[in-house]
Amino acid sequence: ILNVEQSPQSLHVQEGDSTNFTCSFPSSNFYALHWYRWETAKSPEALFVMTLNGDEKKKGRISATLNTKEGYSYLYIKGSQPEDSATYLCASDTGTASKLTFGTGTRLQVTL
Amino acid sequence: DVKVTQSSRYLVKRTGEKVFLECVQDMDHENMFWYRQDPGLGLRLIYFSYDVKMKEKGDIPEGYSVSREKKERFSLILESASTNQTSMYLCASSFRGSNQPQHFGDGTRLSIL
Repeated sequence: ILNVEQSPQSLHVQEGDSTNFTCSFPSSNFYALHWYRWETAKSPEALFVMTLNGDEKKKGRISATLNTKEGYSYLYIKGSQPEDSATYLCASDTGTASKLTFGTGTRLQVTL
Repeated sequence: DVKVTQSSRYLVKRTGEKVFLECVQDMDHENMFWYRQDPGLGLRLIYFSYDVKMKEKGDIPEGYSVSREKKERFSLILESASTNQTSMYLCASSFRGSNQPQHFGDGTRLSIL
């Protein structure tokens, strides 16, 4: 994989559903994997920065895992709420002066 | 809280104009970045700077230049604006190091007519 790829492109779930998305990245020259949440009319906000294979991080109902050997990360949201509606971006850092390569994002919409 | 401030939320300019987008951060971050966001594409890096007066080209530097005269301020310059530079521009900053998150401004939606 030469680029950072995210799937699905968009997702529509009901309040209370749990959901997950995937980020695939080049496993060579890996330094870190970043997750950001970008709500409409706001600035992207950092969720997690993960560096070690097998890393798991959690922030409230959101968690993420990292597999650097096969080049993927999962983001999980447990019990989705309308305020979780946003675009979730992942980005790979290959160690070149903290330069990030971003995926195109997964757009999540949570309805009542 | 980290604050990254971009000078304008919306900007309309004409083709051929020289356009300046300003970004200021208040957290003494070494790194600063300029991205553009277009529909269907991820955030693409235009230029970044890891120190005062230092700059590095990103993935799409053509048609742009930057200036970093002070640590807290990073300016993006469109030398001669063209319609294909109509886009959302985002500034970000971070401390040096791969495990450091980037902090973003609110973005400038630039239209070139």
